[in-house]
Amino acid sequence: DAGVTQSPTHLIKTRGQQVTLRCSPKSGHDTVSWYQQALGQGPQFIFQYYEEEERQRGNFPDRFSGHQFPNYSSELNVNALLLGDSALYLCASSLEGVTDTQYFGPGTRLTVL
Amino acid sequence: DAKTTQPPSMDCAEGRAANLPCNHSTISGNEYVYWYRQIHSQGPQYIIHGLKNNETNEMASLIITEDRKSSTLILPHATLRDTAVYYCIVGPNTNAGKSTFGDGTTLTVKP
Repeated sequence: DAGVTQSPTHLIKTRGQQVTLRCSPKSGHDTVSWYQQALGQGPQFIFQYYEEEERQRGNFPDRFSGHQFPNYSSELNVNALLLGDSALYLCASSLEGVTDTQYFGPGTRLTVL
Repeated sequence: DAKTTQPPSMDCAEGRAANLPCNHSTISGNEYVYWYRQIHSQGPQYIIHGLKNNETNEMASLIITEDRKSSTLILPHATLRDTAVYYCIVGPNTNAGKSTFGDGTTLTVKP
């Protein structure tokens, strides 16, 4: 049973560029949430996708956008990268209507230079 | 803002029980208490959750006070591999997903 997978594992970009991160949920899960984790801090909720729509959003600017595909996989897009966007980006999946227990992927480490 | 308060760090001797406290004095009636841990450079891992009754699974036990304003995660026999950051969060059991993580407790298990 495959767990949550994310790609790439590491990424280096420069200010102003755009980046796309990818996530495949745990088998059988239909809901994907994205988190940003700065060094030394806890994960911060970005948004959640269910049925291919953004259902909830945290306190992040519109530069952060996402998408969910019919197979439940998801992408996180960040435009106009800032130095402060450097962080570990975590994807978590869960199953709607069952429990709020989330299963996290290993994350993508984004460095903005 | 995080709805929980945890000590920033704790130490525990290998083989002894690790008791990690969490304060959630503003918890509402339909909110559960969830515990996750994050081992260095990995994604958080679910440990346990509960509403008001004490819970136990293969990883840990969760003790929730009667007024539900605080809880304790117990690792009965801590090992070196339990060294991690432990997060206590509260949220509804409805797949809301919008989990608010604080900075957690860094548990260091020492030989």
